[in-house]
Amino acid sequence: EIVMTQSPATLSVSPGERATLSCRASQSVSSNLAWYQQKPGQAPRLLIYGASTRATGIPARFSGSGSGTEFTLTISSLQSEDFAVYYCQQYNNWPLVTFGQGTKLEIK
Amino acid sequence: QVQLQESGPGLVKPSQTLSLTCTVSGGSISSGDYYWSWIRQPPGKGLEWIGYIYYSGSTYYNPSLKSRVTISVDTSKNQFSLKLSSVTAADTAVYYCARVSDSSGYLDYWGQGTLVTVSS
Repeated sequence: EIVMTQSPATLSVSPGERATLSCRASQSVSSNLAWYQQKPGQAPRLLIYGASTRATGIPARFSGSGSGTEFTLTISSLQSEDFAVYYCQQYNNWPLVTFGQGTKLEIK
Repeated sequence: QVQLQESGPGLVKPSQTLSLTCTVSGGSISSGDYYWSWIRQPPGKGLEWIGYIYYSGSTYYNPSLKSRVTISVDTSKNQFSLKLSSVTAADTAVYYCARVSDSSGYLDYWGQGTLVTVSS
């Protein structure tokens, strides 16, 4: 099983600033990496797939990068609605997909 | 716009079988373009992949749950279902159904989730 490790566990950032979230895979997943946003009481929402492709309707301030074992989700200018928990997910090992443990993005 | 909706009991007794159904609207399971999956999330914790089903009935289960999980499909009702046997308190979670996009492995549409509590 491919283990996904996200860091930091909690990230405190002020509105308008940039947030950088990291995700590391225990072995290469190529570019088969997705990012999700989850707000309290809601289902996860797909943000990024293929490591860097924004899903339909996702604002341009969200960007993904990386390949192999190291990945980054960047939110360029944080809006109030962006404070949430973010998960990465590998699907290179389909059908056994695995998720990271999440990064909570909170208001500083 | 595809929509998924989970339904089923919110309380299950230990050792019994958890049963949930996901109803899909705005798209047909029988189109064969997608896989249909279940994911769960214990309270305050992360996401765990349970498995998927294809319209033909072929399935894949997470090895960690394989001995207790059954996923089935009813294309006439545009529904798929999850059964998890011999449940314990550790199976208490929000259970989500979701669509696997382009059969690639990422999840583009999710249900709202349903909390299932295992307790006597």
